[in-house]
Amino acid sequence: DAGVIQSPRHEVTEMGQEVTLRCKPISGHDYLFWYRQTMMRGLELLIYFNNNVPIDDSGMPEDRFSAKMPNASFSTLKIQPSEPRDSAVYFCASSLSPPKDEQFFGPGTRLTVL
Amino acid sequence: RKEVEQDPGPFNVPEGATVAFNCTYSNSASQSFFWYRQDCRKEPKLLMSVYSSGNEDGRFTAQLNRASQYISLLIRDSKLSDSATYLCVVPPRGSQGNLIFGKGTKLSVKP
Repeated sequence: DAGVIQSPRHEVTEMGQEVTLRCKPISGHDYLFWYRQTMMRGLELLIYFNNNVPIDDSGMPEDRFSAKMPNASFSTLKIQPSEPRDSAVYFCASSLSPPKDEQFFGPGTRLTVL
Repeated sequence: RKEVEQDPGPFNVPEGATVAFNCTYSNSASQSFFWYRQDCRKEPKLLMSVYSSGNEDGRFTAQLNRASQYISLLIRDSKLSDSATYLCVVPPRGSQGNLIFGKGTKLSVKP
């Protein structure tokens, strides 16, 4: 298996632009997580899905952030409009049956908003 | 008490040293605990799971103290390749599969 796939790996954009991050989880994993990591705040859970249904989005910073999972093999995290404080590394992870099963992380998307 | 709290370090140790990290957690009902390892500019990866009083895997030993609500990670005979950030991970209260990641403890092993 290729593992969790994320794209793009790097994104540089200007304030006010729309940003879309993409994730393909490991086949057969029912859970998908979106995290944001910064030096100041560490790794924060934004939202997670079980069988394509959002379970908890309380970590989404504000209405500028939205996430979808239209099918079991694809999810998107969208920021519109983007702001400089959104600059961070965004990770997607998937798991078979958490919390007892391991979460497998993708390589992350490094977002810079100028 | 914060949900998960770790000493950020950095811990700078020579090769061959023994080093220990502690982590405190607030959810007394947690049944599973984890240590993840994150190399610089890479994604976190599972190092060890801890379900009972502890777990050992080669040079790595994780111990759980439920009464005091802390988990420790002991690394014996440190190698240069052990240099990384170690994240303590615990399910939050009411978890339906999600986890809380500590901010991590940075370890640097020097020759």
